[in-house]
This record gives sequence, structure tokens and C-alpha cells, in this order.
Amino acid sequence: DIQMTQSPSSLSASVGDRVTITCRTSQSIPYNLNWYQQKGGKAPKLLISSVSTLQGGVPSRFSGSGSGTDFTLTISRLQPEDFATYYCQQSYGPPYTFGQGTKLE
Amino acid sequence: QVQLVESGGGVVQPGRSLRLSCATSGFPFSQYTLHWVRQAPGKGLEWLALISFDGTNKKYAESVKGRFTISRDTSESTLYLQLNSLRPDDTALYYCVREEHTLYAFDSWGQGALVTVSS
Repeated sequence: DIQMTQSPSSLSASVGDRVTITCRTSQSIPYNLNWYQQKGGKAPKLLISSVSTLQGGVPSRFSGSGSGTDFTLTISRLQPEDFATYYCQQSYGPPYTFGQGTKLE
Repeated sequence: QVQLVESGGGVVQPGRSLRLSCATSGFPFSQYTLHWVRQAPGKGLEWLALISFDGTNKKYAESVKGRFTISRDTSESTLYLQLNSLRPDDTALYYCVREEHTLYAFDSWGQGALVTVSS
């Protein structure tokens, strides 16, 4: 099984900050790395698929990058609505494991 | 629009069973792989199971293998999860999720069904 290591687990930031969340996988995955945002008890929302493909309606301040085993989610200029928990996920093969989550506060 | 609506959650004693349903609409049900993902209170996301678009391929997380069974009914556009031999650590919000096969990602989620396992 592919293990996911996401860091940090929590992050204190302010509006306007640039924020980076990292995700490391236990083995190389070509491009099957996704990022989700979860707010206040609601279902997760897909932000970025395949490492760097922004989903429709997602602001361009969000970006994803990386390759092999190391991936990052960057929010270039934090907005009030971005305070949430973020999860990475590998979809290379089942089990489709998630990272432990990063709570942005 | 795409909708996934879970039902069947509730409070159940350890060792008992429960069946979750996920009624879907707004997309061609028979063309999509579907998953169950759960989230224990205050915890992260845990992938549980998938069923292929035609129901022929099923995969499970080790934590539920042999206890949970995923199935689908194309005539009803409904996904199911049979939960047997429930344990207190199965207490969680259970999400029904659609996989967008062109993205290899989970693009649509239900609102979740809460399962509480307690005596």
C-alpha cells in the first residue's frame, strides 16, 4: 500500500500569506495525486487533480506541483474563505489513501 | 446536477449490522466507478471500498475487508455498503463518492451518513 505523509498537520496563517502544504508518498506515483478542501463538517471538495489540474471554479491562487514522491499545494495569497482542512490523496491504486490533513487556521 | 444522497445511518450495537444506501442522480450511473470513504469524528478521511462501473471489480481497505460489502443496483442508480460485525471504531460519517475516470479523482461527494457503534 502507498503511505501518505502530509505536513504540516496544522498551520497558522493570515490573510494575504503564501501557504505551502506538502505531501510525500511512500512510492513514486506518476501523476495520480489530488488535493481536497474540507470546510466545517461539510463533504470534501476536489480542488486539484493529477498534481496540478485546477478544477472548475477553483480560484487561480491555488496551485499544485510536484512529481515522483513529493508534491505541494500552494495558496498564493490566502483569503478568509481558504481557512479549512486540506487533504492530499493518491489515486494510483487501491487503497486510495489520503494524507492526514492540514488544518489551516 | 450530480447528486449523491446517503441514507441508512444510525446507532447500532457492537457486532450488529447496518446497510447504507446512496441514491444517485444527474449522471449516467452505469458509467462511473463509485467509492465509500469515511471520517471518524475529528479525524481524517479513510478510503474504504470501490466498485467498478459494471460491478465486476471490488476493492476494500484492510480495515473493513471481510466485514463490509460494496454493491450497486443499476436499475435504481443506487450504491450500497453492507456493514457487518460493527465495532466502536467504525463510528464515522460515511460518504458516497463518485470517481471521475478522466481525472482519477473523487469529483462528487454525498453529504454523508452518520454511523455510531455503541452499546
